[in-house]
Amino acid sequence: GAVVSQHPSWVICKSGTSVKIECRSLDFQATTMFWYRQFPKQSLMLMATSNEGSKATYEQGVEKDKFLINHASLTLSTLTVTSAHPEDSSFYICSARIGPEAFFGQGTRLTVV
Amino acid sequence: GQSLEQPSEVTAVEGAIVQINCTYQTSGFYGLSWYQQHDGGAPTFLSYNALDGLEETGRFSSFLSRSDSYGYLLLQELQMKDSASYFCAFNSGNTPLVFGKGTRLSVIA
Repeated sequence: GAVVSQHPSWVICKSGTSVKIECRSLDFQATTMFWYRQFPKQSLMLMATSNEGSKATYEQGVEKDKFLINHASLTLSTLTVTSAHPEDSSFYICSARIGPEAFFGQGTRLTVV
Repeated sequence: GQSLEQPSEVTAVEGAIVQINCTYQTSGFYGLSWYQQHDGGAPTFLSYNALDGLEETGRFSSFLSRSDSYGYLLLQELQMKDSASYFCAFNSGNTPLVFGKGTRLSVIA
C-alpha cells in the first residue's frame, strides 16, 4: 500500500521556539494532505487541509499564524508550530488519501517544556 | 452538522466476537470507513463500505445501512493484539475524513 512518512516521530522543545514537522508521500503524489491533532485517548481532530501550490484551509479555531502549513511539492507538506507553548503539546499526524482510503504518517509526539 | 456516534469502550474475551456500532449524521455521504489505532501509533485502514451490506476481510467485517445511517465493525476470533481504538469515519467526496470519537476495545483472557 501507499506510504506516508512523517518526521520527526517525537520532539521536545522549549516554550517560545518553533518546531517543523514534515510529511512525505513516498510512492504517490498527494495534492492534498491533512493535518490532525490528537490528545490522549481522544479522536483525531482535523486542523487543516494542505493544498499543493496554494494556501492551506484551516478549521475553525485553529490559528493559521501559529500553525504554519506549507505544501511546496506534490510529495511534501510541512507543519510548523510557531512560538510553541506547553498547551501545544500533543500528537500531530498527517494523512493523505487515495480514493476513500486514508494513509497516515507515523505521527509526531510534541512536548513543549 | 456532521457527527458520528460510537461507544467509548468495549471489553471482550479472547476468542469471542465483538461488534462496534457507528451511527452518523451528514448531509453528504460517500462511504463509511473503519480505522484501527494502537496506543502511540498511527491509524491504519481496516475497511470501507460505500454500498449497503457486509464487507469481509479476514477476521474483520464491516456493515453499512445507508437508509439507517448506521454501520458496524465486527471482529471475530478476538486476539489480544486486537486491543486498540477503533474509529469509524465518513467522507463526502474529496473532503477530509470526519472521525468518530473512537471505541477503545480491551481484549481480556
